[in-house]
Amino acid sequence: AQSVAQPEDQVNVAEGNPLTVKCTYSVSGNPYLFWYVQYPNRGLQFLLKYITGDNLVKGSYGFEAEFNKSQTSFHLKKPSALVSDSALYFCAVRDIAGYALNFGKGTSLLVTP
Amino acid sequence: EAGVAQSPRYKIIEKRQSVAFWCNPISGHATLYWYQQILGQGPKLLIQFQNNGVVDDSQLPKDRFSAERLKGVDSTLKIQPAKLEDSAVYLCASRVRTEGAEQYFGPGTRLTVT
Repeated sequence: AQSVAQPEDQVNVAEGNPLTVKCTYSVSGNPYLFWYVQYPNRGLQFLLKYITGDNLVKGSYGFEAEFNKSQTSFHLKKPSALVSDSALYFCAVRDIAGYALNFGKGTSLLVTP
Repeated sequence: EAGVAQSPRYKIIEKRQSVAFWCNPISGHATLYWYQQILGQGPKLLIQFQNNGVVDDSQLPKDRFSAERLKGVDSTLKIQPAKLEDSAVYLCASRVRTEGAEQYFGPGTRLTVT
């Protein structure tokens, strides 16, 4: 069975500092990995994905994520956080043989001025 | 490009009543998903359609939930009768059929069952 774990319920960062939101996964075989962001009363917005190729993936709004197969991790990062980055972030995994995504429970990111 | 449309945005019903949600995916997206998101949790897949055929409905509570996608475009999700534990946000998503393509989500319908 495929699953993801987001070990932190909340991450607090000061504006201008780098941020990391952690995600580890478990799948049989090679994974497809995704990050989504959810603002209040909004649906999920796609940020980036890893399918194959370079382990460092760049996405929307300056976010990036590093795929680490040995550690089964796909942490989301941004070099300099903005207050407007404050939102709920979800990691999701899909194994190549599967169909839909399995989401983590989400991590709330709070960026303070 | 228009996004995934959902209606209504909010719905309040009493337990044992019925409710229906509507979704219009992005034009050209053959694959459509319905997810249930309970407060404090990530979205959980209810059903997946490929065109107008069901691909996966293994997590759909079929005794009370039903869904259809007539003509392979719009979709409706129905709950009858509703229970208190059905209170959640119901999200519709769609994607192109290309392997590895990301899903695009609608704004969701927030259902409150009293």
